[in-house]
Amino acid sequence: EVQLVESGGGLVKPGGSLRLSCAASGFTFTNAWMNWVRQAPGKGLEWVGRIRSKTHGGTTDYAAPVKGRFTVSRDDSKNTLYLQMNSLKTEDTAVYYCTTEDGYSNYWGQGTLVTVSS
Amino acid sequence: DIVMTQSPDSLAVSLGERATINCKSSQSVLYSSNNKDYLAWYQQKPGQPPKLLIYWASTRESGVPDRFSGSGSGTDFTLTISNLQAEDVAVYYCQQYYTTPRTFGQGTKVEIK
Repeated sequence: EVQLVESGGGLVKPGGSLRLSCAASGFTFTNAWMNWVRQAPGKGLEWVGRIRSKTHGGTTDYAAPVKGRFTVSRDDSKNTLYLQMNSLKTEDTAVYYCTTEDGYSNYWGQGTLVTVSS
Repeated sequence: DIVMTQSPDSLAVSLGERATINCKSSQSVLYSSNNKDYLAWYQQKPGQPPKLLIYWASTRESGVPDRFSGSGSGTDFTLTISNLQAEDVAVYYCQQYYTTPRTFGQGTKVEIK
């Protein structure tokens, strides 16, 4: 059974940093392309970024609102996906989901809430 | 970026009736080399993460009831829920995966009339 478990969310002040983790199991993480998708309270879904598998270069793509501030990375030895978030803004407040990617997002974690507030 | 626009924003349908949700993309998501539409539909129930229902515009994900169907090509797509059940109350999103950034529609809330 595929499982994705996010952690690391919490309350942070504007300008601060936070690192989210996503522990993956039940599939071959090494071969998987992975996404981060977020959802602000009461709002719709917004794609944040993705990382390709190492065999496809391990390269990343980002949405414009987070480019230069957020970094997606992976540790295949730990089956874990990360999202490093710097220079956080109030508009980054959201539930952050990690997902697998086959183009579409097959599997989703339960999400972790990030609140950016002074 | 490809803009995805859903209609309506919400709809109320009687149990057992049909719900129809439309999704329009600002440019075609049909990839000519494989003749596939890079369009997915998701269902999100309150307090839960989204769940994949349909991909390639019309392929039902394993385990999804056959009352859910997707149609359309190019820029215009439809999600149809036949014989609406109480457990289908949710917000439904379309998403294009033709290119990055991946983009979602704004969501359509389905309720029981």
